[in-house]
Amino acid sequence: DAGVIQSPRHEVTEMGQEVTLRCKPISGHNSLFWYRQTMMRGLELLIYFNNNVPIDDSGMPEDRFSAKMPNASFSTLKIQPSEPRDSAVYFCATGTSGVPDTQYFGPGTRLTVL
Amino acid sequence: GNSVTQMEGPVTLSEEAFLTINCTYTATGYPSLFWYVQYPGEGLQLLLKATKADDKGSNKGFEATYRKETTSFHLEKGSVQVSDSAVYFCALSDQRSSASKIIFGSGTRLSIRP
Repeated sequence: DAGVIQSPRHEVTEMGQEVTLRCKPISGHNSLFWYRQTMMRGLELLIYFNNNVPIDDSGMPEDRFSAKMPNASFSTLKIQPSEPRDSAVYFCATGTSGVPDTQYFGPGTRLTVL
Repeated sequence: GNSVTQMEGPVTLSEEAFLTINCTYTATGYPSLFWYVQYPGEGLQLLLKATKADDKGSNKGFEATYRKETTSFHLEKGSVQVSDSAVYFCALSDQRSSASKIIFGSGTRLSIRP
């Protein structure tokens, strides 16, 4: 299996631009998690889905952030408009409901907002 | 609510030294406990796990024992190598979640000197 696939791996954009991060989960996994990691705040859970349905988005920092999971094979995290403080590494992780030790992380997208 | 507290880093050791990274948790019920490791430039990956009290998880020379009486899950390794340099996260399963949600500690950065 290819593992969790994230794209792009690196993104550099200017303040005010829209940014879209993409994630393809491991086949058969029905839970998907978006995390953000920074030196200052560590690893933060932004939102997670179960069977394509958003379960808890309380970690989404502002209305500028939105996430979708239109089907079992794809999820996006969008930031519009982006700000320099959004610079971070964004991870997607997927797993199987009720089996927490199946959570697998993707390689991350390093976002830099200038 | 459920939470994990682990020792702050960075931890710097010489090669072949003994390693302990402390982790304590607060949880209702009987969560599973995990240690995840993040190597530079990569996503987190599961290092070891324990699913019930007195279980010992082990992998790659690392061990941790689920201690319910002290609510602890300390990570140990008898002889560290330079290749063990990474960030280590203690974590527990959130049994209130319908998905495979995991609650992570803040991470401990480990650096091993040759």
